[in-house]
Amino acid sequence: EDQVTQSPEALRLQEGESSSLNCSYTVSGLRGLFWYRQDPGKGPEFLFTLYSAGEEKEKERLKATLTKKESFLHITAPKPEDSATYLCAGVGDFGNEKLTFGTGTRLTIIP
Amino acid sequence: NAGVTQTPKFRVLKTGQSMTLLCAQDMNHEYMYWYRQDPGMGLRLIHYSVGEGTTAKGEVPDGYNVSRLKKQNFLLGLESAAPSQTSVYFCASSYLLGNQPQHFGDGTRLSIL
Repeated sequence: EDQVTQSPEALRLQEGESSSLNCSYTVSGLRGLFWYRQDPGKGPEFLFTLYSAGEEKEKERLKATLTKKESFLHITAPKPEDSATYLCAGVGDFGNEKLTFGTGTRLTIIP
Repeated sequence: NAGVTQTPKFRVLKTGQSMTLLCAQDMNHEYMYWYRQDPGMGLRLIHYSVGEGTTAKGEVPDGYNVSRLKKQNFLLGLESAAPSQTSVYFCASSYLLGNQPQHFGDGTRLSIL
């Protein structure tokens, strides 16, 4: 059974304090690893797709990386507006194309 | 630019009542999905559709039915609501199935008393 595990469950950082969120996965034939941001009372907002080990993508203060077992979301010099829950999800091989979501990391940036 | 729109945003039902949640997308996506999100659990797929007139079961389909009569709309029905169906329901759509991102609505918060 496919599984995606995120850690930590919650993270509090001071503004400007860089850190990383972890997403470990066991998804058979992984064809894509997605990162989403979810604000309270809102739906998940798409951030990145990573397709193969070694791939990296960046957007403002966020950088996502992928290995054969896990993905990291690095947050550099975060601001209070980066506070949100970050979700990762994996999609498997042909015939197993439904997303498996982790439970998320709730990130709080303290001014 | 609306994207994915869900109605209603909030609803309270009594056990045994029925209701329909509506999802509409304006991105001409072929694929649409219904998820539920519960505390401490990841988003779980209820049903999905790979095109107009087609539907398929996801991970947790029991107690729900769906219909996709028009490409842009995907309806989720609860025939006889149960307290275990108290949750936040999200609709999503995507251009392709698989390794293309899904775009989500802002959810329907449903409480069953």
